[in-house]
Amino acid sequence: EAAVTQSPRNKVTVTGGNVTLSCRQTNSHNYMYWYRQDTGHGLRLIHYSYGAGNLQIGDVPDGYKATRTTQEDFFLLLELASPSQTSLYFCASSDLGVYAEQFFGPGTRLTVL
Amino acid sequence: QQKVQQSPESLIVPEGGMASLNCTSSDRNVDYFWWYRQHSGKSPKMLMSIFSNGEKEEGRFTVHLNKASLHTSLHIRDSQPSDSALYLCAASIDMGYKLTFGTGTSLLVDP
Repeated sequence: EAAVTQSPRNKVTVTGGNVTLSCRQTNSHNYMYWYRQDTGHGLRLIHYSYGAGNLQIGDVPDGYKATRTTQEDFFLLLELASPSQTSLYFCASSDLGVYAEQFFGPGTRLTVL
Repeated sequence: QQKVQQSPESLIVPEGGMASLNCTSSDRNVDYFWWYRQHSGKSPKMLMSIFSNGEKEEGRFTVHLNKASLHTSLHIRDSQPSDSALYLCAASIDMGYKLTFGTGTSLLVDP
């Protein structure tokens, strides 16, 4: 099974602060994704990438930047955090084949005060 | 942007009973459905997927798909307390790289 790790697991910041969430996958998957999960909204896709240097816009990208530095590493950046970005963030990865299963990391709980 | 609607929002079934969960997409271009299960405090894990009309069975779990109505359902027979979880339906177009998730059905199996 794919191994996806996230750090930090919990983060508290203040409004206007800078936050970087990290994700690493060790199974050489091509695709990586960032989601946020909120009660009543389910999982919503923020950004995704199909390889180092590539970035695709998801469904709720406003206020977020992302960067894929290597095959393994995908970062989510909140440059001016707002309370509306308080959420549970999941990273996921999937193989190149069509309709490939997505494997999720353990999640990062972010609180913006 | 497509929407994925799940019903019911929550469901309680007795241990050993049958749980039935529903999911419908609003986008006629949807070509694949997934069901993910998320236990409390954990990350989602893929349970089953389906892309062709009909049904697919894996152990106690059966998935149905009606492509004409873009409706899929998940049925869990002989439900166990360990099945208590949030069940998320996801749909994709464009070869499945970009998923749209529903808001989920929270299942509680009452021992």
